[in-house]
Amino acid sequence: DTGVSQDPRHKITKRGQNVTFRCDPISEHNRLYWYRQTLGQGPEFLTYFQNEAQLEKSRLLSDRFSAERPKGSFSTLEIQRTEQGDSAMYLCASSPLRLPTYGYTFGSGTRLTVV
Amino acid sequence: DAKTTQPNSMESNEEEPVHLPCNHSTISGTDYIHWYRQLPSQGPEYVIHGLTSNVNNRMASLAIAEDRKSSTLILHRATLRDAAVYYCILLPTGNQFYFGTGTSLTVIP
Repeated sequence: DTGVSQDPRHKITKRGQNVTFRCDPISEHNRLYWYRQTLGQGPEFLTYFQNEAQLEKSRLLSDRFSAERPKGSFSTLEIQRTEQGDSAMYLCASSPLRLPTYGYTFGSGTRLTVV
Repeated sequence: DAKTTQPNSMESNEEEPVHLPCNHSTISGTDYIHWYRQLPSQGPEYVIHGLTSNVNNRMASLAIAEDRKSSTLILHRATLRDAAVYYCILLPTGNQFYFGTGTSLTVIP
């Protein structure tokens, strides 16, 4: 297992376009989290899944954002009608149901630039 | 959201110990104290965590105050590879992390 994978690593898009990011968690990890990080700030929680169920969404997750985890494995995060304020690093993390001693495992993120 | 307070930045000389403080005066009895670090252009990486007792692992040590309202991450010998942003996070059992702005550690050669 190579850890949490995120694709793409970088994405440049024009304002108004839709973008989709993918996260592949560590296999057998039931929980999957999405975070957003802007420059100079810590990651901000967006949403999390337990298996295929989306259990919590932050108020940061506007109606332009949607996340799915259809089979309880990989997850996608889609942003519709992107705005310049959406430019950020989007991070994915996963964990088993019972938190292991090594904590949560994060991916390297997808850096989105909206021009 | 469980709140922590950390200095914005700290400096250390290479090969010297570093003590990174964190205040969490509103911690509840079931909150775990986690430390993560984030290297440039990477996702956060687990460092250490604890509940009440001091903890040691190959990366660092965690000293927890007796009243649990503060903790200190100790890097015994700072290296250039330890230059990162360090986050102190409280984790209620079963919930997600809330990050603050962390402490940016600069290691001086």
